[in-house]
Amino acid sequence: QQQVKQSPQSLIVQKGGISIINCAYENTAFDYFPWYQQFPGKGPALLIAIRPDVSEKKEGRFTISFNKSAKQFSLHIMDSQPGDSATYFCAATLSGGYQKVTFGTGTKLQVIP
Amino acid sequence: GAGVSQSPRYKVAKRGQDVALRCDPISGHVSLFWYQQALGQGPEFLTYFQNEAQLDKSGLPSDRFFAERPEGSVSTLKIQRTQQEDSAVYLCASSQKGREQFFGPGTRLTVL
Repeated sequence: QQQVKQSPQSLIVQKGGISIINCAYENTAFDYFPWYQQFPGKGPALLIAIRPDVSEKKEGRFTISFNKSAKQFSLHIMDSQPGDSATYFCAATLSGGYQKVTFGTGTKLQVIP
Repeated sequence: GAGVSQSPRYKVAKRGQDVALRCDPISGHVSLFWYQQALGQGPEFLTYFQNEAQLDKSGLPSDRFFAERPEGSVSTLKIQRTQQEDSAVYLCASSQKGREQFFGPGTRLTVL
């Protein structure tokens, strides 16, 4: 059962452009939504995260937008750079307990010069 | 200042062989997780340890999968009688209780 749906599967953006990745979740018990960045041969690394009591969180060039009523959230990467080329996973978890992470299927981002 | 390390990084097994995958978590991290990442997919939860106690093994796909963390630090994921569908990257993550998980680089298992 896929509890977190992610799109698109792949994305090509020109340097300086905006990359947008969308996710939707089903389990309303989720209350913490991290995004992970994964480079080839590496494990996922936490990029940015949001709780559902805020609609937007910005850290540098990375912004999460959150729509609780629609059970949707998205990652925007402003001024995309070739070094941002990686696979991005949205995820959801429960903030209490031990935070078993439920991942989306991933978006492979390629930023071309 | 090492992060999570995993060994081996690559493992090729013939169908039916047993394999053991090792995870060395960040020192002092109480929580340890194993995830399975199939090609082109997101990681999927396998099991969770708090110190030496295995508190959740709901994600283990079959009784051929077994994990242990006997002294509350190093963990081993064992797969018995490997099958082709077991081919995946196995990721280990550790954290302080309830905090951010730090992932290792994974072990890529290929079952022929």
